[in-house]
Amino acid sequence: AQRVTQPEKLLSVFKGAPVELKCNYSYSGSPELFWYVQYSRQRLQLLLRHISRESIKGFTADLNKGETSFHLKKPFAQEEDSAMYYCALTGGNEKLTFGTGTRLTIIP
Amino acid sequence: DTGVSQDPRHKITKRGQNVTFRCDPISEHNRLYWYRQTLGQGPEFLTYFQNEAQLEKSRLLSDRFSAERPKGSFSTLEIQRTEQGDSAMYLCASSPRSPRTGIEKLFFGSGTQLSVL
Repeated sequence: AQRVTQPEKLLSVFKGAPVELKCNYSYSGSPELFWYVQYSRQRLQLLLRHISRESIKGFTADLNKGETSFHLKKPFAQEEDSAMYYCALTGGNEKLTFGTGTRLTIIP
Repeated sequence: DTGVSQDPRHKITKRGQNVTFRCDPISEHNRLYWYRQTLGQGPEFLTYFQNEAQLEKSRLLSDRFSAERPKGSFSTLEIQRTEQGDSAMYLCASSPRSPRTGIEKLFFGSGTQLSVL
């Protein structure tokens, strides 16, 4: 079974401070991990995927298979980063399993 | 707007009634997905189409739910004999052709919010 855990429902960070949104997963095979983001009054959209190894809007995420984690990080938070963030996993099929999400608020 | 379009945006119905939602994917996308999201939860996979073929269905999709994509373009999701537990946001997403199996980038619609009274 595929499971994604995001332990923090809410996270508040001061502008300019580092951000880390936690994501742990459970999957017996080789997973593909994603971060999706939903800004206020906008649609859910892809932020980044681990196989691309890219940095989007200053965010990065490294897949740690030993700790089964895929934490999202940004060194300096910006006000426009306030949003709902979802970690998601697939086992190579078409089913994407989402976590319950973390609402990030950047304090000016 | 050339994104994924869903109609209606909101639907209020009485328990026991049937409802149908429509999704128009991005035109060149051959993959289409339905998800359901309840308050405080992430989206949950319901079903997936590649062109007109429904290739995967979740166990969440009971017999009262049926989805179609007759010509490989738009899709409909019908819920028969609605129950209060069906109240949720129903999200549609599409994804472009890919030579590889597995998920590519999903483009989500704004969703249809269903309230069953």
